[in-house]
Amino acid sequence: DAMVIQNPRYQVTQFGKPVTLSCSQTLNHNVMYWYQQKSSQAPKLLFHYYDKDFNNEADTPDNFQSRRPNTSFCFLDIRSPGLGDAAMYLCATSREHGETQYFGPGTRLLVL
Amino acid sequence: GENVGLHLPTLSVQEGDNSIINCAYSNSASDYFIWYKQESGKGPQFIIDIRSNMDKRQGQRVTVLLNKTVKHLSLQIAATQPGDSAVYFCAEIKGNTPLVFGKGTRLSVIA
Repeated sequence: DAMVIQNPRYQVTQFGKPVTLSCSQTLNHNVMYWYQQKSSQAPKLLFHYYDKDFNNEADTPDNFQSRRPNTSFCFLDIRSPGLGDAAMYLCATSREHGETQYFGPGTRLLVL
Repeated sequence: GENVGLHLPTLSVQEGDNSIINCAYSNSASDYFIWYKQESGKGPQFIIDIRSNMDKRQGQRVTVLLNKTVKHLSLQIAATQPGDSAVYFCAEIKGNTPLVFGKGTRLSVIA
């Protein structure tokens, strides 16, 4: 009965090689979020979608893009991963803005 | 800017004792607060929440207290168990803006 699903759980990529992380939800929530979390730090919001409306955080690097083709799926594209992009990437959903966010298990990205 | 922070980065507690994890916030306009538990290698898990019109809310073995006068939030865990070992984050939400996480406290339960 998983509600927020992330695939893969572990991803290894090479420096500069594009990579896509995926997230799906069975909650039919309007809002989907992508966070980056580095060791011993709090999750940092990269961007979020309300339905198809995209909202980018001001300090999110241009290297990070996102797509939401439908309500259930949201993708994080890293165009040219650098060593500093190695982190846990968390997807979350909420029914509406300002409501509880539910997180997926995360994808741990390793950049070689 | 306004932010959410924690007083204690690490907390060690004897199994069976009660745990108290504290969080200070500076945005008086925040109206919704959430505690998350994050185990190693997993995503944050919702524990309990509280709205700004309340000062206490209880769940199973957990209680959240909100003191708006001093802008302080706490999470109390009764009869702490080894499975409670994790990093705990407080988070605040103001209106329709995305939530803001605090820095996190690592809880270690000593058997």
